[in-house]
Amino acid sequence: SQQGEEDPQALSIQEGENATMNCSYKTSINNLQWYRQNSGRGLVHLILIRSNEREKHSGRLRVTLDTSKKSSSLLITASRAADTASYFCATEIVYNTDKLIFGTGTRLQVFP
Amino acid sequence: SQTIHQWPATLVQPVGSPLSLECTVEGTSNPNLYWYRQAAGRGLQLLFYSVGIGQISSEVPQNLSASRPQDRQFILSSKKLLLSDSGFYLCAWKPAGGSYEQYFGPGTRLTVT
Repeated sequence: SQQGEEDPQALSIQEGENATMNCSYKTSINNLQWYRQNSGRGLVHLILIRSNEREKHSGRLRVTLDTSKKSSSLLITASRAADTASYFCATEIVYNTDKLIFGTGTRLQVFP
Repeated sequence: SQTIHQWPATLVQPVGSPLSLECTVEGTSNPNLYWYRQAAGRGLQLLFYSVGIGQISSEVPQNLSASRPQDRQFILSSKKLLLSDSGFYLCAWKPAGGSYEQYFGPGTRLTVT
């Protein structure tokens, strides 16, 4: 099974609403990262949260990390149609900073 | 600033033909380099990564191979493509020796017919 699994797999909301995506993982991590992918494009890094951090903000993005539950959430506030994309969490596991393990992704559709 | 290039952008190849995808990075030295494959509507599968010239780690045993002939060049190859090799191939890099984000190229859409 995946080290990182996002839920929901798909999410449809109206502009102005908040979108919340969750990520669960299985092994101890150094950090957890969130990426965005527009259809047919490469991934773009959004935010990195370290294992000793509990919450991080960047613009309209808020990420939380609960290492006791091995889970993270990404909140996008006041969503826009341009936020339509797939969102992936990725974990850097302890003792290996050389690679990330990506989750299965959440497809977000924001309707105008 | 750093830039990552991948080519070609799209490729249609018959089953049994060879494959060579190239990735180059500009503006940095000694990066970690990565090849991922993404099936339609799915997550990313790490195929290979490299922490230096000639150093390749394989994550998934399969029909593909990777090489790093130069510091900032990463090549994905196959001698004979299978239908199951179809997908979206992404190259990425990150600075070596620490916990950093990865930077992705634009990807290559491969269709094996």
